[in-house]
Amino acid sequence: NAGVTQTPKFRVLKTGQSMTLLCAQDMNHEYMYWYRQDPGMGLRLIHYSVGEGTTAKGEVPDGYNVSRLKKQNFLLGLESAAPSQTSVYFCASSTEREGNNEQFFGPGTRLTVL
Amino acid sequence: AQTVTQSQPEMSVQEAETVTLSCTYDTSESNYYLFWYKQPPSRQMILVIRQEAYKQQNATENRFSVNFQKAAKSFSLKISDSQLGDTAMYFCAFMKHIYVDEKLTFGTGTRLTIIP
Repeated sequence: NAGVTQTPKFRVLKTGQSMTLLCAQDMNHEYMYWYRQDPGMGLRLIHYSVGEGTTAKGEVPDGYNVSRLKKQNFLLGLESAAPSQTSVYFCASSTEREGNNEQFFGPGTRLTVL
Repeated sequence: AQTVTQSQPEMSVQEAETVTLSCTYDTSESNYYLFWYKQPPSRQMILVIRQEAYKQQNATENRFSVNFQKAAKSFSLKISDSQLGDTAMYFCAFMKHIYVDEKLTFGTGTRLTIIP
């Protein structure tokens, strides 16, 4: 199993450009999450999904959109990138089974907005 | 809203020594989960240990153990016989009980360096 994968690993954008980050998991997990990590801060939740076709806002959702059209994929979109969105983005997934709620993380995407 | 505080931005210890990382949290929930995640230079987030609040016994995973003080809302991580591979950022995280809220709230992290 590949676990959680993220595409791309690195990206540089100019202000105002758009892009989509792809997260894929092969563990048949119901829940998926997008976090951002900034220097001196822990991971902060952007958006999450509790199942195919559902999405919800996290702590810092402004400037981002998400979609979960397939259970195994969770897409994070930036419609008009801003320098404040320079960050490392992590995707994670977990199962809903009681007592087994570990979140498995992807390797991260480093995004720079100039 | 829950908050998680890690008051030690950086720590360093000699190889083979024992080190304790601190974490405090604030919540009005009575049942919840606490986690320690490790982030080595590779950037990969790795679960180190998990504690369920309704369990009084402290969790242990090989060289890693926790000191969970529910009344004090404290959740420290002890690493025994530290190894060079333990060098990493360590994040404490909080989750409400499953089926209530699956979201993790992270602390700001402690950068741990193991000195040869």
